[in-house]
Amino acid sequence: NAGVTQTPKFRVLKTGQSMTLLCAQDMNHEYMYWYRQDPGMGLRLIHYSVGEGTTAKGEVPDGYNVSRLKKQNFLLGLESAAPSQTSVYFCASRSHTTGYGYTFGSGTRLTVV
Amino acid sequence: DQQVKQNSPSLSVQEGRISILNCDYTNSMFDYFLWYKKYPAEGPTFLISISSIKDKNEDGRFTVFLNKSAKHLSLHIVPSQPGDSAVYFCAASGGGGTSYGKLTFGQGTILTVHP
Repeated sequence: NAGVTQTPKFRVLKTGQSMTLLCAQDMNHEYMYWYRQDPGMGLRLIHYSVGEGTTAKGEVPDGYNVSRLKKQNFLLGLESAAPSQTSVYFCASRSHTTGYGYTFGSGTRLTVV
Repeated sequence: DQQVKQNSPSLSVQEGRISILNCDYTNSMFDYFLWYKKYPAEGPTFLISISSIKDKNEDGRFTVFLNKSAKHLSLHIVPSQPGDSAVYFCAASGGGGTSYGKLTFGQGTILTVHP
């Protein structure tokens, strides 16, 4: 049972480079979320999606774009990486009918130098 | 503006004793609260939750208490075990249907349980 899978697990980028983080879930969940975790800040919502083809901004969306072309996948893009985007990124999903408990992926540790 | 706050960055307890983790919130629209547990190099996992219509919810060794007037909740772990050593995040949701289940997280508290 895979749950939520994030790729890659680690990445080092140079300032100005671009990359895409992939999140895939096999639970047929409608809602998907991207969070970043920084020391002393907890988890902060970047973008979220309530269904295939829909996306919305969260608390800290600047510098990121997302797409949800298929229900099971939620992509997070960094067009021009900055050192301030060094963080651990978590994807999560949940069903819209069964409570608020998220299923999280294991995270992507991104370093921008 | 931090709407969910965990003011204790860390907590150390002896095995077998009670662990009490605290969380405060400022947004009166929050109506559902959760606790997540996170081990290093893993994603957070759901632990226990409580609706604002209740003041207590229990699941085995874990109990969450909600004091709405004080906008405060706490997680009690009794008895604490070394395997409970992890980071604990408090989270809150609310605002009705348009919230789409978005959670606002606290900063986390590192719990260390000593044998």
